[in-house]
Amino acid sequence: EIVLTQSPGTLSLSPGERATLSCRASQSVSTTYLAWYQQKPGQAPRLLIYGASNRATGIPDRFSGSGSGTDFTLTISRLEPEDFAVYYCQQCDTSPPYTFGQGTKLEIK
Amino acid sequence: EVQLVQSGAEVKKPGESLKISCKGSGYKFTNYWIGWVRQMPGKGLEWMGIIYPGGSDTKYSPSFQGQVTISSDKSINTAYLQWSSLKASDTAMYYCVRSIPHDYWGQGTLVTVSS
Repeated sequence: EIVLTQSPGTLSLSPGERATLSCRASQSVSTTYLAWYQQKPGQAPRLLIYGASNRATGIPDRFSGSGSGTDFTLTISRLEPEDFAVYYCQQCDTSPPYTFGQGTKLEIK
Repeated sequence: EVQLVQSGAEVKKPGESLKISCKGSGYKFTNYWIGWVRQMPGKGLEWMGIIYPGGSDTKYSPSFQGQVTISSDKSINTAYLQWSSLKASDTAMYYCVRSIPHDYWGQGTLVTVSS
């Protein structure tokens, strides 16, 4: 089973700043199968990024994904108030389980 | 418009059985995997398993294999998650999800198991 470790656990930033979230896999993951999700309190998660770097439908271009192998990054270029949420990475490589990272909470400083 | 609509919240006692549902609409149900994700109170997302309604191929996380059963009824575009004997530790929000990766999510079904 592939384990995903996200860092930091909590990130405190101000609106307008740049956020960089990390996701590290216990073994190599194909970029095709790395996704990022955003979850706001009381809501279901939503898909932000798939294939490591492709924005899902309707996702603003301030969100970008990068990385390969075991190290992946979600970057939010200029934080908007609505971006403060919890972010999860997920790998869907090879066979299940399609594990999630433990999440990074992005909070307002 | 693609939608996954889940059944309502449940309150059960330990040892009881339960089956929750997820109805897909706005797309061809048999062409996409449907999965289930657990979120315990205040915790992160846990991937449970997935089914392909077009062929009934089903895959489980080892953590949930034998603990739950995932099924589907393509005649009514609905997937199910069921327990034969609930435990207090099954208390959680359960989300159904479409496809791999999960491009659409249901609104969630809160399951509370308490004596």
